[in-house]
Amino acid sequence: EAGVTQSPTHLIKTRGQQATLRCSPISGHTSVYWYQQALGLGLQFLLWYDEGEERNRGNFPPRFSGRQFPNYSSELNVNALELEDSALYLCASSLALGWTGGQPQHFGDGTRLSIL
Amino acid sequence: GENVEQHPSTLSVQEGDSAVIKCTYSDSASNYFPWYKQELGKRPQLIIDIRSNVGEKKDQRIAVTLNKTAKHFSLHITETQPEDSAVYFCAAPSGGYQKVTFGTGTKLQVIP
Repeated sequence: EAGVTQSPTHLIKTRGQQATLRCSPISGHTSVYWYQQALGLGLQFLLWYDEGEERNRGNFPPRFSGRQFPNYSSELNVNALELEDSALYLCASSLALGWTGGQPQHFGDGTRLSIL
Repeated sequence: GENVEQHPSTLSVQEGDSAVIKCTYSDSASNYFPWYKQELGKRPQLIIDIRSNVGEKKDQRIAVTLNKTAKHFSLHITETQPEDSAVYFCAAPSGGYQKVTFGTGTKLQVIP
């Protein structure tokens, strides 16, 4: 069974640009989560999508947005990039409704976003 | 509140000794508590989880205990090995399960 896949592996941008990160969940998983992990720090919750709808978002500005497609894959878009956006962006997936039903999240390898 | 506090932030043990990492949470409605292991440069991987209807769960050298009254849960690793060296994260749902909060992580170093 294929795991969660993310692309690209690395992404280099300059301040003010826009970045798009992609995630394909495990087959059968309908929930997709996005996290930001700055170097040496913990996992900060960004967004949760389930069945194409945004279910919740963390304490991040509106320039962080995303969507989930009918095939349950997801995109994370970051507009007006700032230096502090440099981080590892991790995607995770779970069965429907995620934590509500005690369903564990399974992570991808992440996209390393570097802002110059 | 939706805080998850994790202690210690770093832990060094000799190979063969035990390691214990503790997390406390604030949302009394939480009833699912996973632990993740993240090796350097790799993805977080689920190593064990527990639901509130049990107080302890074991899987070989790893165990998790839960005290719902005190709102804390702990990861226990026995007979530690160098390959146990990693950062460990606890997590708990909050906000009516609409959000996941991770602990700040514990960097475990097992000294051969």
